[in-house]
Amino acid sequence: EDQVTQSPEALRLQEGESSSLNCSYTVSGLRGLFWYRQDPGKGPEFLFTLYSAGEEKEKERLKATLTKKESFLHITAPKPEDSATYLCAVQAGETSGSRLTFGEGTQLTVNP
Amino acid sequence: EAQVTQNPRYLITVTGKKLTVTCSQNMNHEYMSWYRQDPGLGLRQIYYSMNVEVTDKGDVPEGYKVSRKEKRNFPLILESPSPNQTSLYFCASSLTGLAGGAGGGFFGPGTRLTVL
Repeated sequence: EDQVTQSPEALRLQEGESSSLNCSYTVSGLRGLFWYRQDPGKGPEFLFTLYSAGEEKEKERLKATLTKKESFLHITAPKPEDSATYLCAVQAGETSGSRLTFGEGTQLTVNP
Repeated sequence: EAQVTQNPRYLITVTGKKLTVTCSQNMNHEYMSWYRQDPGLGLRQIYYSMNVEVTDKGDVPEGYKVSRKEKRNFPLILESPSPNQTSLYFCASSLTGLAGGAGGGFFGPGTRLTVL
């Protein structure tokens, strides 16, 4: 069974204080790992897809990296508007249309 | 504007009264899926569809039905709702279902369902 564990559950940062969120996964045949941002009362918003160990993707203050066992979402010099819940998900399996399994998320608060 | 729409956004119903939550996308996406989000359990996939007339179970399909008769629509049907189906439901779509081509897709705004 595919498993995704995110840590920490919650993280409070001061504006400008860089940090990292972790996503550990156990899957058979990883096809892709996804990062999303979710604001309260809204649907998740896609951020990145990573496909293989060693891959990195960047967008503004966010950088996602992938190893064979985990992914990190690095947040550099965060701003209050980066406050949100960050979700990690994996897609695995041998056939097309395989399921997407989510972690429970990390709730990030950035104080001004 | 590219979007996924869901209706209704809020629904309170009673046990056993059949209901349908509609989902529609305007991006000609092949892949559509339904999720429920519960505190402490995160997002869990209910059903997904690779294309018209092609659907498959996700992690928590019990008590739900879906159909994909048109590419743009993917309704979620609860034939006999029960209180344990009280949840926040999201519909999502992406160009394809394959990680290699899908990206993360688009999520709808959510439907908050309460079953009394």
